[in-house]
Amino acid sequence: DADVTQTPRNRITKTGKRIMLECSQTKGHDRMYWYRQDPGLGLRLIYYSFDVKDINKGEISDGYSVSRQAQAKFSLSLESAIPNQTALYFCATSDPLTGRTETQYFGPGTRLLVL
Amino acid sequence: GDSVTQMEGPVTLSEEAFLTINCTYTATGYPSLFWYVQYPGEGLQLLLKATKADDKGSNKGFEATYRKETTSFHLEKGSVQVSDSAVYFCALSPGGYQKVTFGTGTKLQVIP
Repeated sequence: DADVTQTPRNRITKTGKRIMLECSQTKGHDRMYWYRQDPGLGLRLIYYSFDVKDINKGEISDGYSVSRQAQAKFSLSLESAIPNQTALYFCATSDPLTGRTETQYFGPGTRLLVL
Repeated sequence: GDSVTQMEGPVTLSEEAFLTINCTYTATGYPSLFWYVQYPGEGLQLLLKATKADDKGSNKGFEATYRKETTSFHLEKGSVQVSDSAVYFCALSPGGYQKVTFGTGTKLQVIP
């Protein structure tokens, strides 16, 4: 089984709808992240959480919110989806105990289309 | 703030050709440097990393050397295969409570 899973893998929604993307991990890592990937822009950080009680905004948090329900679960919500939120969304985890060599482990991604 | 600059793609090579993907960075202190690879339809996965100046990371025939004097971490492979077709991301991590910074990615296509 995959260490980092994301649901759904694909989603089509309409402008104005609220949607939630979910991420679960079995790696036991404290740190979790949400990124979006757009062609030509690479990965951009939306939100990150260094432990269950810690939530931080990334570089493009407007229009998004998150919830860290447990060490293993980190959800991303779009309160009112708009077409320019169409993108590929990735969840990732990392282990801070590895210090400066901290590697990020990515889920398979959720492809979101907002009509 | 920290930044990573990668050469723009796509890069198209014939099988068995030599590959170089350039990466330069700007950071304070002494970050760790990484190359991640994203195969079609998948998430990113670590390819190799280096934690200090002059370190060489290597994996699956790929290599990159941490060059502090030129602030670079270029990815190389002597003979690419069709299965190497993917998007490659350079990244840096300052460590501690600082987040990772990714480059924009370079798409590599290897043709038979």
